[in-house]
Amino acid sequence: DQQVKQNSPSLSVQEGRISILNCDYTNSMFDYFLWYKKYPAEGPTFLISISSIKDKNEDGRFTVFLNKSAKHLSLHIVPSQPGDSAVYFCAASPFNQAGTALIFGKGTTLSVSS
Amino acid sequence: ETGVTQTPRHLVMGMTNKKSLKCEQHLGHNAMYWYKQSAKKPLELMFVYSLEERVENNSVPSRFSPECPNSSHLFLHLHTLQPEDSALYLCASSQRTGREQYFGPGTRLTVT
Repeated sequence: DQQVKQNSPSLSVQEGRISILNCDYTNSMFDYFLWYKKYPAEGPTFLISISSIKDKNEDGRFTVFLNKSAKHLSLHIVPSQPGDSAVYFCAASPFNQAGTALIFGKGTTLSVSS
Repeated sequence: ETGVTQTPRHLVMGMTNKKSLKCEQHLGHNAMYWYKQSAKKPLELMFVYSLEERVENNSVPSRFSPECPNSSHLFLHLHTLQPEDSALYLCASSQRTGREQYFGPGTRLTVT
């Protein structure tokens, strides 16, 4: 059973518009969440993270929102650019559990057209 | 060299071969990881090393054997693999487990 779910395999957005990527999780012990971006033939690149004590974290064009009661987080990219076209992975980490790595979703492929 | 490097980038091996994948991190991190990414599947954690000690082995078949000689280097020794083991193998490191991980470019492995 998947603990981190990205239910939309793909998303298409026009350049300049907002991209919203969604992620749901099931484990209430998760306390830290991350977004990664992956281009073909490269490893994932860390984008932005958020701790469970916050509900929003912003870094330039990227903002992550966390809704703990709904066990939902989202990544907003504004404005979207063609270079943002990639696969985006949501990941989660359980609270203070030594020896545990991140748990990843299956990814959402974002296509930004000019 | 900066970040996390992996060699080789591509590897084709027969089912009876023995080969090794190498990962090196130049970030001063204390934890290193091996992941497997197959087509249309989430990243699958294989092994976690923290301060050179294996702290997690995620039910990986014994034909995959990790080695962490120091905090900067991680190997994945491969022997008698199966065609279904063909995948992208990613190495990552982090300052401590459970937080931001930095990935290498991966090794694309094909087992024939």
